[in-house]
Amino acid sequence: KQEVTQIPAALSVPEGENLVLNCSFTDSAIYNLQWFRQDPGKGLTSLLLIQSSQREQTSGRLNASLDKSSGRSTLYIAASQPGDSATYLCAVDHTDKLIFGTGTRLQVFP
Amino acid sequence: NAGVTQTPKFRILKIGQSMTLQCTQDMNHNYMYWYRQDPGMGLKLIYYSVGAGITDKGEVPNGYNVSRSTTEDFPLRLELAAPSQTSVYFCASTPAGSYEQYFGPGTRLTVT
Repeated sequence: KQEVTQIPAALSVPEGENLVLNCSFTDSAIYNLQWFRQDPGKGLTSLLLIQSSQREQTSGRLNASLDKSSGRSTLYIAASQPGDSATYLCAVDHTDKLIFGTGTRLQVFP
Repeated sequence: NAGVTQTPKFRILKIGQSMTLQCTQDMNHNYMYWYRQDPGMGLKLIYYSVGAGITDKGEVPNGYNVSRSTTEDFPLRLELAAPSQTSVYFCASTPAGSYEQYFGPGTRLTVT
């Protein structure tokens, strides 16, 4: 059974820091991996999608990498800002269904 | 486009009551999904649909029913509400040929 784990569960950093969020999964047979952002009381917004054949994707200050063989993905946020404060969820597309991790709650303080 | 819309935003139900959570998307997406998110947890798939007239169970379907009579609408029905169904419910959709899911704002349901 596919299981997705995210570490750390919560993170609080000062503005300007570069930071890394981790996601691990138990079954490497995935179609893709996605990173989402969730603001309090809101739905999810897709940030990055990495196909199984890709190693990384970049969007602005965000960079996500994927290592299928080790079952790991990282989301790198450069020069963090208070507006980055949110919960970040990773999800693996496994047998055409998304399996979500429990998320990392990020707070960036001025 | 309004994207994915869900109604109601909040609802309190008594044990044993029934209700329907509405989900509509105006993007002509083939695939639609219902998830629930319990506090501090990730999302779990309840039901999904690959097109009008076709639905299938996800990871946690017990206590729920769905229908998909049109491309736009994918309602989720709770027949006999139980406290274990207290959660936030999200609807999502995906166009054919894409993996990216578009989420609605969610419905916060409390069963007491």
